Amino acid sequence: ILNVEQSPQSLHVQEGDSTNFTCSFPSSNFYALHWYRWETAKSPEALFVMTLNGDEKKKGRISATLNTKEGYSYLYIKGSQPEDSATYLCAFNSGYSTLTFGKGTMLLVSP
Amino acid sequence: EADIYQTPRYLVIGTGKKITLECSQTMGHDKMYWYQQDPGMELHLIHYSYGVNSTEKGDLSSESTVSRIRTEHFPLTLESARPSHTSQYLCASSDRIGVAGTDTQYFGPGTRLTVL
Repeated sequence: ILNVEQSPQSLHVQEGDSTNFTCSFPSSNFYALHWYRWETAKSPEALFVMTLNGDEKKKGRISATLNTKEGYSYLYIKGSQPEDSATYLCAFNSGYSTLTFGKGTMLLVSP
Repeated sequence: EADIYQTPRYLVIGTGKKITLECSQTMGHDKMYWYQQDPGMELHLIHYSYGVNSTEKGDLSSESTVSRIRTEHFPLTLESARPSHTSQYLCASSDRIGVAGTDTQYFGPGTRLTVL
């Protein structure tokens, strides 16, 4: 059974704060690591897919890094805005067609 | 924006009823998935399909069944609903492109099922 851990479980920051979360996954049989963003009452939407050790991806104020040797990925949000409030999910792929998800980090950004 | 739809969005039903949750996508994706999520827990894969006439069970055992007669349609059925089936059910689809494991899944809005 694959185990994908995300921390913290939830986070409350003020507008303008920068923040980061962690996703830990098995370092063996690694194929890809996905990040999704899930706003309340909406569908989860893809942020990044990363495959190579040392990968860094960026989309606006959001960026992610990947360390496949030690089995972790960080997601960073620079200058958080209220519209960044959402649950951020990571998902691990070990070469099969399916993803194993973590429980997510729930971010609340107050104005 | 992804074109994947689920109906109903909310369903409250009594024990013993047969229910079908609908999922349709207009992107022509081969792969489709059903996930179940309880509050505060992970998305758990319960069924998936590689294409028409292909269905597989996911990591989490489920009493539900699925069918894939058409590419765009992947309904999930519970023959006799029970309170333990109360959960959120999300449907997703992806295309067979790129390196293994990298295909992005596009999610529907989910169905919140409550069985009384």
